[in-house]
Amino acid sequence: AQKVTQAQTEISVVEKEDVTLDCVYETRDTTYYLFWYKQPPSGELVFLIRRNSFDEQNEISGRYSWNFQKSTSSFNFTITASQVVDSAVYFCALKQGYGGATNKLIFGTGTLLAVQP
Amino acid sequence: SAVISQKPSRDICQRGTSLTIQCQVDSQVTMMFWYRQQPGQSLTLIATANQGSEATYESGFVIDKFPISRPNLTFSTLTVSNMSPEDSSIYLCSAGLVAVTNYGYTFGSGTRLTVV
Repeated sequence: AQKVTQAQTEISVVEKEDVTLDCVYETRDTTYYLFWYKQPPSGELVFLIRRNSFDEQNEISGRYSWNFQKSTSSFNFTITASQVVDSAVYFCALKQGYGGATNKLIFGTGTLLAVQP
Repeated sequence: SAVISQKPSRDICQRGTSLTIQCQVDSQVTMMFWYRQQPGQSLTLIATANQGSEATYESGFVIDKFPISRPNLTFSTLTVSNMSPEDSSIYLCSAGLVAVTNYGYTFGSGTRLTVV
């Protein structure tokens, strides 16, 4: 079975603090893709990152960084020096393999991040 | 990446009526999907919209309730039929681009539906 778990329902931090959002996934496929999306209060989903299962390099983009660990089936997301504009719901998602019925994204339950000024 | 225009952005509807949501993509895409997001919940896939054929529905969703059309590679509609207050949700369209080694999914801005 394929599943994405975001155990943190809600996180509250004060501006400039670092925060890590956890994502643990389950899949039997050796080829898969992991995604992070941001959903601000306005409701649209904003793509943040895609990672292929055969590329375990961690990635940094400005204040955002992602730690992909196949050994623990985790794909965690860290925001450094958080800002109020980072307040949103963050979703981790999984896509299995290639083609057919595996084209759909499986979403975690999301983590609501509240950054206080 | 593709840009999706979804409309209406929100609507308030009477129970028993139907609402059709439109999704227009600015380029041809391989896949289109429709999701429902109930208040405070995650995204649940309703169906995959197939170009030129019937949509593929997920468990718990049926064509009579959520008829979907996809006449070409850039456009799809979702109808929420015979609405009840339980259908109040955000409905999101998604377009998927497939390359040999990579996949990208873009989402529309969503339709906030309130059924009264």
